[in-house]
This record gives sequence, C-alpha cells and structure tokens, in this order.
Amino acid sequence: SQKIEQNSEALNIQEGKTATLTCNYTNYSPAYLQWYRQDPGRGPVFLLLIRENEKEKRKERLKVTFDTTLKQSLFHITASQPADSATYLCALAPQGAGTALIFGKGTTLSVSS
Amino acid sequence: GAVVSQHPSRVICKSGTSVKIECRSLDFQATTMFWYRQFPKQSLMLMATSNEGSKATYEQGVEKDKFLINHASLTLSTLTVTSAHPEDSSFYICSARVPNGRETQYFGPGTRLLVL
Repeated sequence: SQKIEQNSEALNIQEGKTATLTCNYTNYSPAYLQWYRQDPGRGPVFLLLIRENEKEKRKERLKVTFDTTLKQSLFHITASQPADSATYLCALAPQGAGTALIFGKGTTLSVSS
Repeated sequence: GAVVSQHPSRVICKSGTSVKIECRSLDFQATTMFWYRQFPKQSLMLMATSNEGSKATYEQGVEKDKFLINHASLTLSTLTVTSAHPEDSSFYICSARVPNGRETQYFGPGTRLLVL
C-alpha cells in the first residue's frame, strides 16, 4: 500500500542545535516533495519544494534533501530557535502538479531556550 | 505570496444543522481548490477536489451528499456540512493552487467545527 511516514511524532532539541526531520514514502514515485509548517489551530504554510532530480534545496536556515533511491527526504533547521517550534509536515503529489497533496502526520518540533 | 482565506474560523452548531464554510483566494484566481479535514494529531486528509464550474471530485469514503461543495467562481469555493453530527467535528482546511503550472498550494487558516 502507499504510505508517507514521518518517523518521529515529536522532537525536542535545544536552541542553537540543528533539527533533522525524516519523511519516508513507499509505493509512490513523486515528481517532487514539499515541506510545510503548521502552527496549532492554523493551516499549513509552505516552506520548500524539492524535485526528484534535485538532491538538496536550501532556504535561509532550512535545508531539504531528497533521495529517490531510499525514498526519503530529510528536513534540517540549523541554528534552531524557540520560534521554530511547530509541527512540520511533508507532502507529495502522487500524480504531479495540479493534484491534491498526500500528507504525513507531521513531526512536532519543540526548541527549548 | 498568494493568500487564501476561510470563513468562519470557528463554528459551534447543534447536531442536525448545516454549516457552510467559505474558502476564498484573495489575490489570484484558482481553477482548482482542495478541501481537507484534520483530526487531532492526525495528518490532513483530502476530502474532495473542487473545480470551478464543474462537479467536485470526492475521495473514497467521503459522502458527497453530506459534504456539498460548490465552486461557483474562480475565487470562491464553499463546503457545506449537511445535517452535522458530533463525529463531523474537525478542523477543515482548504487550499488553492496558484495557476500557471506552479506546484505550490496555499492553504487557508482552517475552520474549527464543533458539533454538539
């Protein structure tokens, strides 16, 4: 069956450290994968998109990698801050652009000062 | 970036009543909008794809007669939960894709529905 899994339900780290979140999928061949941030009681906010032919994408303190052989994406937040505390969702579009997204359950990151 | 709004942000209703949720794209036209539902500590689950000017496409297990979707214009889609029951209590979120082939979807802030 098709699955998209985010291995950790919760991740607690100290301020200044790098947070690494994992997203694995099975039985999909996505053209791209996206990461979103969701705060409690709010809708998801788009962060980064990485395509199947891209190994790595960066945006400020964020970095995403995509390994289509392992069927895995890693999401890194460097120099983490308490304001980074939120739930992070990975999502893929199984049929490409224009179609709905399939989401993982999310990893709730808590950054303590 | 593109902005999507939802109204109301929160609604409490009695069992058996109907509730309408609006989703608007404020600064772009969206030919396709998506409706998701999210239960506590769960992922967003797609309910239906809303296409402007045509019938919505529902996901398996979602009752189209219970969750009525109308996409009457390029900036507005509505979801009506008919004869709501307590098990319909959830967080309903819409999204819209910016046209011109972009993959990114922009999400509304969500509507919290509580059915008593």
